[in-house]
Amino acid sequence: KQEVTQIPAALSVPEGENLVLNCSFTDSAIYNLQWFRQDPGKGLTSLLLIQSSQREQTSGRLNASLDKSSGRSTLYIAASQPGDSATYLCAAPNSGNTPLVFGKGTRLSVIA
Amino acid sequence: DAGVIQSPRHEVTEMGQEVTLRCKPISGHDYLFWYRQTMMRGLELLIYFNNNVPIDDSGMPEDRFSAKMPNASFSTLKIQPSEPRDSAVYFCASRSELYGYTFGSGTRLTVV
Repeated sequence: KQEVTQIPAALSVPEGENLVLNCSFTDSAIYNLQWFRQDPGKGLTSLLLIQSSQREQTSGRLNASLDKSSGRSTLYIAASQPGDSATYLCAAPNSGNTPLVFGKGTRLSVIA
Repeated sequence: DAGVIQSPRHEVTEMGQEVTLRCKPISGHDYLFWYRQTMMRGLELLIYFNNNVPIDDSGMPEDRFSAKMPNASFSTLKIQPSEPRDSAVYFCASRSELYGYTFGSGTRLTVV
């Protein structure tokens, strides 16, 4: 059964700093991996979907990488802003591409 | 597209009452998922459907929980009778191959 771990659980950085959030998963036989953002009291917003054939995906200041062989993914946020403050969740499928198993998230605070 | 639509947004009910949560997935998505989120346990998969057929309900905590998907555009999650420990945020999500999972805004359930 897939297990997803995210480190650190919480992170506080000054505005403008570049940062990396880490995600590890136990079963590397996945078709894809997805990163989400969750604001307090809100639902999940998809940030990036990385297919197993890709090594990375980029959207604006966000870049996610996927290394299936080592069971790791990272989310890189460039030039962080206070509006980036949220919980970031990594999710990998239990088998193949369904269903998603979530990590506990990294709670990010960007201080102005 | 309006995204995944859940109702109600908030539900407060007394212990022992029946609760029904509703979900309208994105048109064309062939998978539908019900997740529950609590502070202690994070996001947990309850049940998921493929083409309206339940595939795995092993995450449903007890017989008090049941879910149906009578057609491709509607699903319900029912709790009968409800208990205080059922208090959580319940999310519905649907999936496409191209964009991955899309989550609804969730239903915050409080059982008193």
